[in-house]
Amino acid sequence: EAGVAQSPRYKIIEKRQSVAFWCNPISGHATLYWYQQILGQGPKLLIQFQNNGVVDDSQLPKDRFSAERLKGVDSTLKIQPAKLEDSAVYLCASSLVQGVGYEQYFGPGTRLTVT
Amino acid sequence: GENVEQHPSTLSVQEGDSAVIKCTYSDSASNYFPWYKQELGKRPQLIIDIRSNVGEKKDQRIAVTLNKTAKHFSLHITETQPEDSAVYFCFTGGGNKLTFGTGTQLKVEL
Repeated sequence: EAGVAQSPRYKIIEKRQSVAFWCNPISGHATLYWYQQILGQGPKLLIQFQNNGVVDDSQLPKDRFSAERLKGVDSTLKIQPAKLEDSAVYLCASSLVQGVGYEQYFGPGTRLTVT
Repeated sequence: GENVEQHPSTLSVQEGDSAVIKCTYSDSASNYFPWYKQELGKRPQLIIDIRSNVGEKKDQRIAVTLNKTAKHFSLHITETQPEDSAVYFCFTGGGNKLTFGTGTQLKVEL
């Protein structure tokens, strides 16, 4: 089966600019996650969707980050405006069902560099 | 929220030796404890997981043990090989709260 797809793979922007990332989960996976992984750290959950509804966005910096999953399939994560500390790899993952206890499949990530 | 501590942060072993990585957590509602392996520049991949009704699980050279009373679980890799070199993350969740550990850089030396 096809894996989780993400684009772009790399992005370099200047601070205060905007950027958007796209994720296409594995077909049939109801749950989609966005993680931020800063170099040398573990992934940090930003937002979790169940179909097109938000399950958890408690760690999403809502003043600058937004995410949507309008039709319950693809998702976009946007940062506006970007800060230097947003430099990280943004990982999208999906799982078949909601809830802890099910394997998450990760995409290749988008490496963002903010200068 | 959940607090997950992972130790050690770096671990260097000789090929053929065993490696042990430990994670402690705070949320007593946590009931699923997977371990992910992330090679340099690649995505995290699940290598083994355990649920709260089981104390130990093995898969060839890899095992995970869980002590729910003490709120810690460990990854054991036996007969380590160079391809085991990677960063290993524990992961846990209480309810719908999902938290990764800080990671352990494992280096297997020839």
